[in-house]
Amino acid sequence: QKEVEQNSGPLSVPEGAIASLNCTYSDRGSQSFFWYRQYSGKSPELIMSIYSNGDKEDGRFTAQLNKASQYVSLLIRDSQPSDSATYLCAAYTGGFKTIFGAGTRLFVKA
Amino acid sequence: KAGVTQTPRYLIKTRGQQVTLSCSPISGHRSVSWYQQTPGQGLQFLFEYFSETQRNKGNFPGRFSGRQFSNSRSEMNVSTLELGDSALYLCASSLETSGTGELFFGEGSRLTVL
Repeated sequence: QKEVEQNSGPLSVPEGAIASLNCTYSDRGSQSFFWYRQYSGKSPELIMSIYSNGDKEDGRFTAQLNKASQYVSLLIRDSQPSDSATYLCAAYTGGFKTIFGAGTRLFVKA
Repeated sequence: KAGVTQTPRYLIKTRGQQVTLSCSPISGHRSVSWYQQTPGQGLQFLFEYFSETQRNKGNFPGRFSGRQFSNSRSEMNVSTLELGDSALYLCASSLETSGTGELFFGEGSRLTVL
């Protein structure tokens, strides 16, 4: 069973701090990795994609991928209360199927 | 550019009934995936369609079925509804023909089975 594992949280950080969200995956054949943000009562929204080892930065967000360790992370710098949401890690495992972790709830305290 | 549109947004059914949910993808997107989201199980993959062909199916019973039309619009059907089918059903479209996984979700159809 191919899996994506995340700590369900909640993760609580003060405003302005760095939030670090982590994810591991079981299928070494996974090719692409994604972070989605889901606000309460809303649908998931793609915020980051990463395809190769290393870091990828987009504004306040940095995704990190380590295929050897089967580990993906998302750093949110200068966290804002508006970043409070559930963050879903996802992996494309081939076969036209993307699997999702259960999500980590993030709370940013003003 | 319009996003993914799902209808109906909310529906209530009773056990044993069937339901059909509709999804219109982003214009130009030909891949449509369906997911079931519940608090306990998270996002579970149902199936993926491209050019009217189902390319993959998740571990759901045969009561769950879907199809895609020539205009890329998709429907999913759940027959003989059970209480456990209560969930948010999400449709996502993708531009990638090879399936790299960048999904754009609709607002979902929230199904309650009584």
